[in-house]
Amino acid sequence: GAVVSQHPSRVICKSGTSVKIECRSLDFQATTMFWYRQFPKKSLMLMATSNEGSKATYEQGVEKDKFLINHASLTLSTLTVTSAHPEDSSFYICSAPKDRKTQYFGPGTRLLVL
Amino acid sequence: DQQVKQNSPSLSVQEGRISILNCDYTNSMFDYFLWYKKYPAEGPTFLISISSIKDKNEDGRFTVFLNKSAKHLSLHIVPSQPGDSAVYFCAATLPTGTASKLTFGTGTRLQVTL
Repeated sequence: GAVVSQHPSRVICKSGTSVKIECRSLDFQATTMFWYRQFPKKSLMLMATSNEGSKATYEQGVEKDKFLINHASLTLSTLTVTSAHPEDSSFYICSAPKDRKTQYFGPGTRLLVL
Repeated sequence: DQQVKQNSPSLSVQEGRISILNCDYTNSMFDYFLWYKKYPAEGPTFLISISSIKDKNEDGRFTVFLNKSAKHLSLHIVPSQPGDSAVYFCAATLPTGTASKLTFGTGTRLQVTL
């Protein structure tokens, strides 16, 4: 069964609204989680590292005020796309390392901004 | 600078035969290597991993071989099944910095034919 869940699986919103995506580790604790974005026919692009108890670290070129990350607990990280625009439409995926040799991904969230 | 490379963008294998997916890397500091399978519009599924101090790890139909001197690893799937058709990514982690941050290869699309 799934060990990392994401909610919602898909969301459609109007331009200018904010959207929150949740990532949960289901049977283990994760002090670190990762957020990715996948563009069509491209590989996963790491956006940021979510750290429990401290600020997220963002990859170069990713706007931290646009993509707010909160690691609320050892099993939950949230990504909020603020003031979403059509170009933010994408497939967002999180991952959580269980240990050094095992890392699980969520099923992904499809965001469509109209 | 692509530190993890999958030089074969695609591979076609007959059902029942062995699938061999290859991955090369340049950073000798990588300490774990992980393999994932990915279907379109889904998050990657963790398959198997190997520590850099090992040369083989086996789990069911999946075996990963590591040749550290050649900086090369391969995933063997035996026997191949039609459901194995997907894109396969190898990934690597470093022991320093953000633990478990994955560096991905570009993926190999495996097609298992009847």
